[in-house]
Amino acid sequence: QVLLVQSGAEVKKPGASMRVSCKASGYTFINHGISWIRQAPGQGLEWMGWISAYNGNTDSAQKFQGRVTMTRDTSSSTVYMELRSLRSDDTAVYYCGRDRVEKSSRYFDYWGQGTLVTVSS
Amino acid sequence: SYELTQPPSVSVSPGQTAIITCSGEKLGEKKACWYQQKPGQSPVLVVYQGRQRPSGIPERFSGSNSGNSATLTISGTQAMDEADYYCQAWDSTTVVFGGGTKLTVL
Repeated sequence: QVLLVQSGAEVKKPGASMRVSCKASGYTFINHGISWIRQAPGQGLEWMGWISAYNGNTDSAQKFQGRVTMTRDTSSSTVYMELRSLRSDDTAVYYCGRDRVEKSSRYFDYWGQGTLVTVSS
Repeated sequence: SYELTQPPSVSVSPGQTAIITCSGEKLGEKKACWYQQKPGQSPVLVVYQGRQRPSGIPERFSGSNSGNSATLTISGTQAMDEADYYCQAWDSTTVVFGGGTKLTVL
């Protein structure tokens, strides 16, 4: 079965960087990209960006451009998301999702369990 | 920037039909999808490409889209369906989520 397993919770200070991993299994890793979506406490879902597992191409929401880096390691079927210059409003649960694009539709059919990142001094 | 609008809350009695709407410019052309999220859990895809249901999702969940709106319909709503529901669409440059609708089964 398809599984996305994320790294554990982190506590960071303002100005620091965070790095979350997402290890995929149960499918051919390079066949599907991975998106990152976050959810602040009590808030809705927010798409951050995407990485192609095939060639490493990335795309990110304008809000995060210049502050987010996504990479992948095909040998371990793992993708990574680094967010820099953390602020208190970056406190959120960060999810990875398997990215599907079909015709004019794009959706996330499997999700990781989420990683809580708390930014606090 | 593209926006999707959902009602903050919808209430339904057990066994009745719940209808959750999502509106956005030309949303019908974008074949929205829907996610269910229960407290403390990751979102689960319940409808994709406007009206397709992933395997394992009960038949009582259905989606439709037309014009500037998309609709998630839950027929014969059960207590277990109480959750937050999010619509999501793609405008070829970015992925957008609606603000979410809390479904209460009274």
